[in-house]
Amino acid sequence: SAVISQKPSRDICQRGTSLTIQCQVDSQVTMMFWYRQQPGQSLTLIATANQGSEATYESGFVIDKFPISRPNLTFSTLTVSNMSPEDSSIYLCSGETGGRGDTQYFGPGTRLTVL
Amino acid sequence: AQTVTQSQPEMSVQEAETVTLSCTYDTSESDYYLFWYKQPPSRQMILVIRQEAYKQQNATENRFSVNFQKAAKSFSLKISDSQLGDAAMYFCAYRGPNSGYALNFGKGTSLLVTP
Repeated sequence: SAVISQKPSRDICQRGTSLTIQCQVDSQVTMMFWYRQQPGQSLTLIATANQGSEATYESGFVIDKFPISRPNLTFSTLTVSNMSPEDSSIYLCSGETGGRGDTQYFGPGTRLTVL
Repeated sequence: AQTVTQSQPEMSVQEAETVTLSCTYDTSESDYYLFWYKQPPSRQMILVIRQEAYKQQNATENRFSVNFQKAAKSFSLKISDSQLGDAAMYFCAYRGPNSGYALNFGKGTSLLVTP
């Protein structure tokens, strides 16, 4: 298994600003993902964070709005850019240590409120 | 695209009783994995149980078991001897090759456990 931490755990931001969320895993993982969970909703995949290359974004999510970095096998960041109140959500990262059928372990999430 | 359907937005069970949460999915893939995750108010996503599609035997983890019906594309979760700590949102999730092995979640079922 993997233990995943996220920083910050929550934040309140002003419209038009940007926030970078950090995701740290206690062991090397092959794949890392970023999800968004809007209030009262399920989780939606934003992108797959690829180590050493550009992230792979899902439909409806773009790099300019959600730039992602993954400099190594244990760390990734997600930036929410030019925020609006619609970006108020919980953002979760996940990682897995093994192959294609491996279990994804999740961080505790970052609760973002945009005023 | 694969879809995951949880038709029960809310369920209630008395302590020590048994409850079954339903999940159906739609896919044309043959090699995939199914998961149940629990999300308590702390918002931490916790893996409850997983099932590989190629395995006919239903997965079990202590008080949690699944009824996996591959032909019917059904994957229900049974919680036996329910405890107050089981109260949470439960998400069914699908993972397969065409989605890059990211998780595709259902909308969730809110489980209330009454004394």
